[in-house]
Amino acid sequence: GAGVSQSPSNKVTEKGKDVELRCDPISGHTALYWYRQRLGQGLEFLIYFQGNSAPDKSGLPSDRFSAERTGESVSTLTIQRTQQEDSAVYLCASSLVWGATGELFFGEGSRLTVL
Amino acid sequence: DAKTTQPNSMESNEEEPVHLPCNHSTISGTDYIHWYRQLPSQGPEYVIHGLTSNVNNRMASLAIAEDRKSSTLILHRATLRDAAVYYCILRDLTNFGNEKLTFGTGTRLTIIP
Repeated sequence: GAGVSQSPSNKVTEKGKDVELRCDPISGHTALYWYRQRLGQGLEFLIYFQGNSAPDKSGLPSDRFSAERTGESVSTLTIQRTQQEDSAVYLCASSLVWGATGELFFGEGSRLTVL
Repeated sequence: DAKTTQPNSMESNEEEPVHLPCNHSTISGTDYIHWYRQLPSQGPEYVIHGLTSNVNNRMASLAIAEDRKSSTLILHRATLRDAAVYYCILRDLTNFGNEKLTFGTGTRLTIIP
């Protein structure tokens, strides 16, 4: 596709269940970012992948959160034993060029609601 | 990490220019200034970026203070479609591999018809 694709666009789950959110970056983009955005809030950095380097996981809020990326393609964000405070929009972005000048392209997000 | 400060909200009349300020008093010499905007129910989109000189593109202009401690995003003629949250962020040219890119809460711009 032409842009960053995220799925599902909406997910409603029960507290305690595991969820997986998927991000398909733009082809050829080496950098991939995950953010969380709670209602009315700014973007909270979660994790960053750049090529084959070790990901920067410093933004993950707890060990219930994990993310993987296969090479320079699809990434999956997994939230285990979901809690109500995990309810948010999860945004993925990719970038062609790491470093300061690379424009980030965002997907439309996956809205997670934990009941 | 260098931080940015923006007003929480601004209003502007349609078809008038809009000046959105951003303060970044702790900016380092290798920090680029980037602006993104987030339309309702969408992911953020890139608007413009600069280092030292003022920049223009089809969406907006970026005016950077001589000491680089502040910048202003200029929308020359606001339309209703420009209603969005505008984020000013700093990206360190030398800090690749540590791209935490904190967006903050931005400025919510309301356009009055």
